[in-house]
Amino acid sequence: AQSVTQPDIHITVSEGASLELRCNYSYGATPYLFWYVQSPGQGLQLLLKYFSGDTLVQGIKGFEAEFKRSQSSFNLRKPSVHWSDAAEYFCAVGAPSNQGGKLIFGQGTELSVKP
Amino acid sequence: DSGVTQTPKHLITATGQRVTLRCSPRSGDLSVYWYQQSLDQGLQFLIQYYNGEERAKGNILERFSAQQFPDLHSELNLSSLELGDSALYFCASSVGKGVTYEQYFGPGTRLTVT
Repeated sequence: AQSVTQPDIHITVSEGASLELRCNYSYGATPYLFWYVQSPGQGLQLLLKYFSGDTLVQGIKGFEAEFKRSQSSFNLRKPSVHWSDAAEYFCAVGAPSNQGGKLIFGQGTELSVKP
Repeated sequence: DSGVTQTPKHLITATGQRVTLRCSPRSGDLSVYWYQQSLDQGLQFLIQYYNGEERAKGNILERFSAQQFPDLHSELNLSSLELGDSALYFCASSVGKGVTYEQYFGPGTRLTVT
């Protein structure tokens, strides 16, 4: 069965520092991978997605992620974190096409930003 | 603002009761998804409707049911509520039926069962 693991429940970084959030997936075929962000009291917003092609994908708000098949990973990165990036981040994998548009989410990583 | 609306924002009810959560998708979107977010289970897919028909089902309890109406809005019905049903319920919508279509999430309905 498909699954997603986000090893870090909570991460704190200083404003201006670089960020990497880890995501590992379990999936039999080429996965469809996503990163979403959830700000307090808000719904989820898509940051970026990977379906195929270039393994380094760019997203909104200066985020990027790299797909590494050999490591079953899809880590999210940002070179310089802003205080407004404090939120919860979810990695997700899309289910096979016969399961519709189902997304399988990791447990989330809460990001705190120190001034 | 994603364009997906959910009502109510908050709901407090007692065990054993029944509630209905409502979702209006973005204009033009044919798919509606329901997800449950709780502290112990995380964010879990419940069910998807596409153009009025059930498309995919997750670990949705038998006490829960959903439907999508001809105007494409959707309702999630939760009955015989238990304390463990307390959660944030998200609706999302997309234009197509598959996972390659971006899902836009509403702000959620927070359900508290006392």
